[in-house]
Amino acid sequence: SQELEQSPQSLIVQEGKNLTINCTSSKTLYGLYWYKQKYGEGLIFLMMLQKGGEEKSHEKITAKLDEKKQQSSLHITASQPSHAGIYLCGAAYSGAGSYQLTFGKGTKLSVIP
Amino acid sequence: DGGITQSPKYLFRKEGQNVTLSCEQNLNHDAMYWYRQDPGQGLRLIYYSQIVNDFQKGDIAEGYSVSREKKESFPLTVTSAQKNPTAFYLCASSITGQRQPQHFGDGTRLSIL
Repeated sequence: SQELEQSPQSLIVQEGKNLTINCTSSKTLYGLYWYKQKYGEGLIFLMMLQKGGEEKSHEKITAKLDEKKQQSSLHITASQPSHAGIYLCGAAYSGAGSYQLTFGKGTKLSVIP
Repeated sequence: DGGITQSPKYLFRKEGQNVTLSCEQNLNHDAMYWYRQDPGQGLRLIYYSQIVNDFQKGDIAEGYSVSREKKESFPLTVTSAQKNPTAFYLCASSITGQRQPQHFGDGTRLSIL
């Protein structure tokens, strides 16, 4: 089974609505990274979470790390068409090689005007 | 502006042919990485390098080769031994040290003729 599961796989929301994307790890997280990707392009780094309970925000996007559940959630408030794209989480695991990240399969977000 | 440049953006390979994908960064990062992305899949690590003249295999290194002769450059060669090379290839770099975020180029899409 996948080490890092993202849910949902895809999401269609109306502009102005809030939404949440989850990323759950089957192993203890050493660090959790959120990226955004537009189709056919590279990944844009959004946020990095390292400690349980940590919460970070970037414009209208907030990410939290729940250490007990080994899960991170990405919340977008008042979604806009510019938020559309694929959101990927990447995890660092202790002992996996300091520099290796394991990625989830991504959540495709569509925002309808 | 600092960043990661991948070229070409699109590449076509004939059967039995080796092709080389270029990745150059001017971020002064020591670590560089190559990932492969297939439709609906997360990123899978091909090779990574933490320092010049040294590199390690990732999860799917078979059929690929790399070199790291300069800090700024980390080219990836897709050899004829790679039986299913059609994919989107992403190069990334980061500062060394644990839990540093990776920053990505815009990718190269490789297709088989």
